[in-house]
Amino acid sequence: QKEVEQNSGPLSVPEGAIASLNCTYSDRGSQSFFWYRQYSGKSPELIMFIYSNGDKEDGRFTAQLNKASQYVSLLIRDSQPSDSATYLCAVTDDYKLSFGAGTTVTVRA
Amino acid sequence: TAGITQAPTSQILAAGRSMTLRCTQDMRHNAMYWYRQDLGLGLRLIHYSNTAGTTGKGEVPDGYSVSRANTDDFPLTLASAVPSQTSVYFCASSDSPGVNTEAFFGQGTRLTVV
Repeated sequence: QKEVEQNSGPLSVPEGAIASLNCTYSDRGSQSFFWYRQYSGKSPELIMFIYSNGDKEDGRFTAQLNKASQYVSLLIRDSQPSDSATYLCAVTDDYKLSFGAGTTVTVRA
Repeated sequence: TAGITQAPTSQILAAGRSMTLRCTQDMRHNAMYWYRQDLGLGLRLIHYSNTAGTTGKGEVPDGYSVSRANTDDFPLTLASAVPSQTSVYFCASSDSPGVNTEAFFGQGTRLTVV
């Protein structure tokens, strides 16, 4: 079983809608959780991280963490065409940073 | 600021040949990582290093080796390339291995083994 699993996608949402991305992880020792965005042909870039249970908001993005369920999600509100990208969930323990396979999001104008 | 630099940006390599992918960072980060990215499989960790002088195996280490002689450099070597190593390789670094630290990525190396 892969350490980090993401909903497979692709996910298509209309402009202005909410995009919801999900991620589960297998290692209960995981300490911090990250969402990266990767445009086609480019390197991943950090959107936000979360390490405590609950919600964390940054602009149009909200990360949610539930350690008991080993689940982390990302909501993108008021989706824009510029949000069209692959979103990568990542988790870290003391030693390494592991990624999920990514979910590709397309925002329809 | 250069950040993290990979070289080459792309390469075509004959099967059986060896090659070293270079990665250099100027942020004095302790942790460095090598990933390969294949369609549908996301980023898979090959090797990592938490500090100069130490390395560890990731999810897919077979066929690859790394060294970390100093803080800035983390080269990845393919001793005898095979076609299944065709991939896009990303090097990344972070201030420390773990909690709440952003990883910065290089621009990637596209490797084709023929």
